[in-house]
Amino acid sequence: GAVVSQHPSRVICKSGTSVKIECRSLDFQATTMFWYRQFPKQSLMLMATSNEGSKATYEQGVEKDKFLINHASLTLSTLTVTSAHPEDSSFYICSAQDRGLKNIQYFGAGTRLSVL
Amino acid sequence: QKEVEQDPGPLSVPEGAIVSLNCTYSNSAFQYFMWYRQYSRKGPELLMYTYSSGNKEDGRFTAQVDKSSKYISLFIRDSQPSDSATYLCAMMRGRQGAQKLVFGQGTRLTINP
Repeated sequence: GAVVSQHPSRVICKSGTSVKIECRSLDFQATTMFWYRQFPKQSLMLMATSNEGSKATYEQGVEKDKFLINHASLTLSTLTVTSAHPEDSSFYICSAQDRGLKNIQYFGAGTRLSVL
Repeated sequence: QKEVEQDPGPLSVPEGAIVSLNCTYSNSAFQYFMWYRQYSRKGPELLMYTYSSGNKEDGRFTAQVDKSSKYISLFIRDSQPSDSATYLCAMMRGRQGAQKLVFGQGTRLTINP
């Protein structure tokens, strides 16, 4: 099956610093990638949709300046949490949509962010 | 009313039992239905992908879609402790362009040895 690599898997940072999370589709081209946030024992909450070469579309209530998304190539999207604060601590998951395979979304393993 | 409703459980069954997981939805525009399995602190893993009404089988897993009732199910036969995870149903309206998934809340399943 299609593989999506997400890095890092775990990050601990101090309040006020920025953190970058990478999402790569390893064996397929992903014209669209998605970024989700998941709180404990809850389902995935879509943050933004990222299309290669264009600006990301953010869901209502998600701060664009706080969560910067770049999708510069067909295999790489990045999420940067700027000036992170403890309330940004969460589990962030990316997915990549395989255009050649029925638009199925394949997910990365997730990044656990802890802001001290 | 949420677009997709899923009983969050938790659901606990003995090893070897048949497990039935269900979701209902309200939007008749949904055409593509998926089940994902998520282990603790991991990303979701696609288990089943179905289109329109009917059954689809893959090993011990069977996905069932009833569009007339707006109801989907996932059956797990001969359940194993390794099946213990959260199961998420997800739906999509179409296949063209960037299609968002709409998820259920997820059902936490425990298979007891």
